[in-house]
Amino acid sequence: SQTIHQWPATLVQPVGSPLSLECTVEGTSNPNLYWYRQAAGRGLQLLFYSVGIGQISSEVPQNLSASRPQDRQFILSSKKLLLSDSGFYLCAWVTGPGISYGYTFGSGTRLTVV
Amino acid sequence: RKEVEQDPGPFNVPEGATVAFNCTYSNSASQSFFWYRQDCRKEPKLLMSVYSSGNEDGRFTAQLNRASQYISLLIRDSKLSDSATYLCVVTLYNNDMRFGAGTRLTVKP
Repeated sequence: SQTIHQWPATLVQPVGSPLSLECTVEGTSNPNLYWYRQAAGRGLQLLFYSVGIGQISSEVPQNLSASRPQDRQFILSSKKLLLSDSGFYLCAWVTGPGISYGYTFGSGTRLTVV
Repeated sequence: RKEVEQDPGPFNVPEGATVAFNCTYSNSASQSFFWYRQDCRKEPKLLMSVYSSGNEDGRFTAQLNRASQYISLLIRDSKLSDSATYLCVVTLYNNDMRFGAGTRLTVKP
């Protein structure tokens, strides 16, 4: 079956510390993968998307970066966290071919920068 | 103008009530349309797709008006378990999904 895993579930990090969030999918190959952020009381903001290994598109310029070292692995990173990086980070993938299928989300990582 | 706009609510309704949510989108080239449900501190989950002909799934009915760039969700016979935030979502040509900020619903006994 097709599943998506995201970890850790919660994270508290000091300002200026690095960040690495990982997302992996199972049961499919060559998925489109996405990183979203949801700030408290706000909508989902697309950060990065990837259509294949090493292919990353950035939607919002900021101190975050993404990498896709393997087909089913998507990593979100930062060298130095800011207070404004706090939020709910969600990895997602398209569950079927074409654009008529919705995303499936991982369970998310709730990041608090202190 | 936001790409996807929703009334943030909150909508507070009694059990058994019928409630309707509306959503408008700005990009006329939007291809696919969805409603997602998000429970507090959880990830969004697909509720239903939205088709031009309208579609129904149990107590839920979704409608799309491409000419007006308008999407709606109707919930009949509301249950306590329907309490959540409902996200309107449109997909662009490249599988890129754009989310509304959500409408919060609370169903009370």
